[in-house]
Amino acid sequence: RKEVEQDPGPFNVPEGATVAFNCTYSNSASQSFFWYRQDCRKEPKLLMSVYSSGNEDGRFTAQLNRASQYISLLIRDSKLSDSATYLCVVSPGDPGRRALTFGSGTRLQVQP
Amino acid sequence: DADVTQTPRNRITKTGKRIMLECSQTKGHDRMYWYRQDPGLGLRLIYYSFDVKDINKGEISDGYSVSRQAQAKFSLSLESAIPNQTALYFCATSRGNSNQPQHFGDGTRLSIL
Repeated sequence: RKEVEQDPGPFNVPEGATVAFNCTYSNSASQSFFWYRQDCRKEPKLLMSVYSSGNEDGRFTAQLNRASQYISLLIRDSKLSDSATYLCVVSPGDPGRRALTFGSGTRLQVQP
Repeated sequence: DADVTQTPRNRITKTGKRIMLECSQTKGHDRMYWYRQDPGLGLRLIYYSFDVKDINKGEISDGYSVSRQAQAKFSLSLESAIPNQTALYFCATSRGNSNQPQHFGDGTRLSIL
């Protein structure tokens, strides 16, 4: 089982739609979680951290379910500019591993 | 100016050549990382460094070496480049805690013929 798993998509949605991505992680000891956005052939950029209580930033809402070991990202009122790949990122739960683990990403295409 | 700067941005070279990719940062972060990304695949960790005396192999370190010349500089070398090392390479930095997010440079597009 991969440490971090994401549906690769693509998710094709019309402008204005609400879309949700899920990500599962394997190590129950992981403490920190993030969503990154990556545009084609560009660097990943931090979109938001994910907190246990859930958090919102404008049209974006992130939630963490520790019991089921998954993280979600909800995007409301999708814009064309939201088209990108969204990476789920998890901190190491294993003391022998000391770097974040990146999922392979979910591609979103918002259509006019 | 970018906080994490990679040079060169693009490089085309031949099999067998030695190549160095450089990364410098002005964020004051202790930790630095090198990743490669292949089309359609996720980021794979090559090497990471927690300070100038702490360098660690990542999941795909074979064929690569690194040097942490100073807190702000971390370079990646391909001693004898081969075509399957053609990829997009990213440098990243983070604060001194495994729970902190990473911040990426713009990337180096490397093609080996």
